[in-house]
Amino acid sequence: DVKVTQSSRYLVKRTGEKVFLECVQDMDHENMFWYRQDPGLGLRLIYFSYDVKMKEKGDIPEGYSVSREKKERFSLILESASTNQTSMYLCASTTWSEAFFGQGTRLTVV
Amino acid sequence: RKEVEQDPGPFNVPEGATVAFNCTYSNSASQSFFWYRQDCRKEPKLLMSVYSSGNEDGRFTAQLNRASQYISLLIRDSKLSDSATYLCVVNTPTSDKLIFGTGTRLQVFP
Repeated sequence: DVKVTQSSRYLVKRTGEKVFLECVQDMDHENMFWYRQDPGLGLRLIYFSYDVKMKEKGDIPEGYSVSREKKERFSLILESASTNQTSMYLCASTTWSEAFFGQGTRLTVV
Repeated sequence: RKEVEQDPGPFNVPEGATVAFNCTYSNSASQSFFWYRQDCRKEPKLLMSVYSSGNEDGRFTAQLNRASQYISLLIRDSKLSDSATYLCVVNTPTSDKLIFGTGTRLQVFP
């Protein structure tokens, strides 16, 4: 069974902290994505990666960075968390025809 | 103009009703189209792909109109369990990136 696992379901961090969100997939997919989802705004693409050590900016990369050292793992990094980064973060691993999502991380920055 | 646009709703319908959602996309070269379902506080999951000839899966029918660049989802005999957000998804022609609409919320009441 296909699986995408995000390291935390709920996270509370303080403003200015460095935050790591981890995502692991077991399907040997090359493509992985990080989205954030906010009410009324839908899913917005932050960063994506088509291969190990490769990354590309999505629509809203400001304030974020990513790391893809291994094929199965794609990490999202908030260098200095701010309150406007409070959101639901979703990782996805995709083929050309389907996206498989992790269960999401609800991050609150206080 | 957004790449994928949907009416956010909510659509409030009684059990047994038929309801239809439309979604428009801006890139005429898009090749793959999907509907995803997202339950409250859960990750999106593939509901059905949309084929040029239209396709049906039980009470759900998806249609594609390339000339007008829209796809539709029809739900017949609505059930309470159909209450969810329905996301329209379109691929980008030159990559495996999937573009998500903001979603249409459906609430089925008894």
